[in-house]
Amino acid sequence: DTAVSQTPKYLVTQMGNDKSIKCEQNLGHDTMYWYKQDSKKFLKIMFSYNNKELIINETVPNRFSPKSPDKAHLNLHINSLELGDSAVYFCASSRGQGNNQPQHFGDGTRLSIL
Amino acid sequence: AQSVTQLGSHVSVSEGALVLLRCNYSSSVPPYLFWYVQYPNQGLQLLLKYTTGATLVKGINGFEAEFKKSETSFHLTKPSAHMSDAAEYFCAVNFVPPPGGYNKLIFGAGTRLAVHP
Repeated sequence: DTAVSQTPKYLVTQMGNDKSIKCEQNLGHDTMYWYKQDSKKFLKIMFSYNNKELIINETVPNRFSPKSPDKAHLNLHINSLELGDSAVYFCASSRGQGNNQPQHFGDGTRLSIL
Repeated sequence: AQSVTQLGSHVSVSEGALVLLRCNYSSSVPPYLFWYVQYPNQGLQLLLKYTTGATLVKGINGFEAEFKKSETSFHLTKPSAHMSDAAEYFCAVNFVPPPGGYNKLIFGAGTRLAVHP
């Protein structure tokens, strides 16, 4: 059983398009995250939700809109894709907001903008 | 400013040799510390963590790390490298108190470990 699953695994699209990435966790966690990993492997948090409520928004362009329909799901919609959006996007989850809680990661979605 | 630094973007060892991957943090209060491993085209897997208690922490796959407050370090070691250990390793920190009050991992830049026969 995959604990944190993301779809799709690969996404190739053209500049200007709109795309979505879905994430689901079956760990019973309350808190979910989106991270961006750039071409140099640097990882940076984008958003965090706790029980469907947005709690972290790290100055991400408003073309990126996360949505959490329930605490097991966190989706990421991206409008008007730009070349700089090419990256690997990781979803993660943790048990609660406490910062001693480890985060569990999905396998990532590799987004390539042509 | 609070930060986390991994010294050495690439480390190469022989199979059977000691693995030492370095991680230092900058903070006046000891943070919570984590090591993650990323195999090619995969997500991040938690290797080990230090939150409280014993400063020598054992993780999966034979890895361990020691929290040294005086050196603000949390270096990752493995006594004997295996070919399957080749991967990218990330040190990650949750500062105390957390900026903004929430669980927000700050990652180091990563260290690519190569293991050769």
